[in-house]
Amino acid sequence: AQTIHQWPVAEIKAVGSPLSLGCTIKGKSSPNLYWYWQATGGTLQQLFYSITVGQVESVVQLNLSASRPKDDQFILSTEKLLLSHSGFYLCAWSLVWGDTGQLYFGEGSKLTVL
Amino acid sequence: GDSVTQTEGQVTVSESKSLIINCTYSTTSIAYPNLFWYVRYPGEGLQLLLKVITAGQKGSSRGFEATYNKETTSFHLQKASVQESDSAVYYCALGDRGNNNRIFFGDGTQLVVKP
Repeated sequence: AQTIHQWPVAEIKAVGSPLSLGCTIKGKSSPNLYWYWQATGGTLQQLFYSITVGQVESVVQLNLSASRPKDDQFILSTEKLLLSHSGFYLCAWSLVWGDTGQLYFGEGSKLTVL
Repeated sequence: GDSVTQTEGQVTVSESKSLIINCTYSTTSIAYPNLFWYVRYPGEGLQLLLKVITAGQKGSSRGFEATYNKETTSFHLQKASVQESDSAVYYCALGDRGNNNRIFFGDGTQLVVKP
């Protein structure tokens, strides 16, 4: 069975500090990977997607970056957090590019920037 | 651009009553988007409830139904008799193959089922 694990579950960080959120998918080779973000009370927005190792496409500019160092790992990071980065970050995977079918989501990481 | 609108932020229904959660969509880049309902139960991750990829078709799961209506650009979620365990946040979503395969979500509707 496939599993998706996100870390950390929650973070409280200061404005201007760095951030790294991670996501690991087990039991599925070469998945498509996605980062989503939801501000408190806001809409779930796709931030990045990746269809292969080392290749990441940005969808929405939020002064964040993403990397895929391994087939099963997706990292979201920034060197300098802004207050506007607060929210809920979800990692997701899907099977087939172009299918826009079922997304499988992780449990999410809650980020509070103070 | 593409967007999804859910007009109700919260819906409260008594157990065994019927439910409808409204969803309308707008797309400029694709004639026939894929349409989805996702659900987040308390303490759980976001998961797919149902999807329909063909206009005019109906999708169903766990007693919920939604019909892809291209004329009204709607994809309302319905259930004939809700249970307390249906209490969750429901998200309508649109998949656009012509826009980097993005999935656009509505703001979500919190369903509260009263016993």
